[in-house]
Amino acid sequence: GAGVSQSPSNKVTEKGKDVELRCDPISGHTALYWYRQSLGQGLEFLIYFQGNSAPDKSGLPSDRFSAERTGGSVSTLTIQRTQQEDSAVYLCASSPHAAKTGIGYTFGSGTRLTVV
Amino acid sequence: GNSVTQMEGPVTLSEEAFLTINCTYTATGYPSLFWYVQYPGEGLQLLLKATKADDKGSNKGFEATYRKETTSFHLEKGSVQVSDSAVYFCALNLMNRDDKIIFGKGTRLHILP
Repeated sequence: GAGVSQSPSNKVTEKGKDVELRCDPISGHTALYWYRQSLGQGLEFLIYFQGNSAPDKSGLPSDRFSAERTGGSVSTLTIQRTQQEDSAVYLCASSPHAAKTGIGYTFGSGTRLTVV
Repeated sequence: GNSVTQMEGPVTLSEEAFLTINCTYTATGYPSLFWYVQYPGEGLQLLLKATKADDKGSNKGFEATYRKETTSFHLEKGSVQVSDSAVYFCALNLMNRDDKIIFGKGTRLHILP
């Protein structure tokens, strides 16, 4: 597609429920990233995909968080048994290559998750 | 570790004022440096970048110079407009292993007409 597309744009869920957030990167971008933006916390790195594999999962905050990418394209971030502290904007970004300095990301508009 | 520190906001200026948003970094190796901007209700956009020492990135009247000696990448604009109101993020990218970008916490800028 022309840009990075994320869905849903907003999600309100009850504490304890599971949620799935979707990211559709720019066509042909091999690298895909998930970040979390919390109020006053800036952007927190969660996970990075190169193709379908995830060389760096170091930012996932707990085992309730998981992500997958299929076909080198769409990625899904799943949060199980959501907690109120999971409330944040979840941002996805893609770039044409990994390990290429100077290549910036293209970000999606994010999914605003509210856990009540 | 690798990190980015930028000045706390919010920063409030009058239209046509001079803007500086300070950013310093800590990195092992030789990072590329970026400024991203997030306008209200929109996603992050790359504003400018610099890939090596003494490079100057520029876009939309904004500039930032990669200063290795002071490990800084301060964002400047000579005359701000109301439309520049946004959150600005300084960031770095290390080329040694992967393309992960490390962001600062962001600085909210308000420009008053």
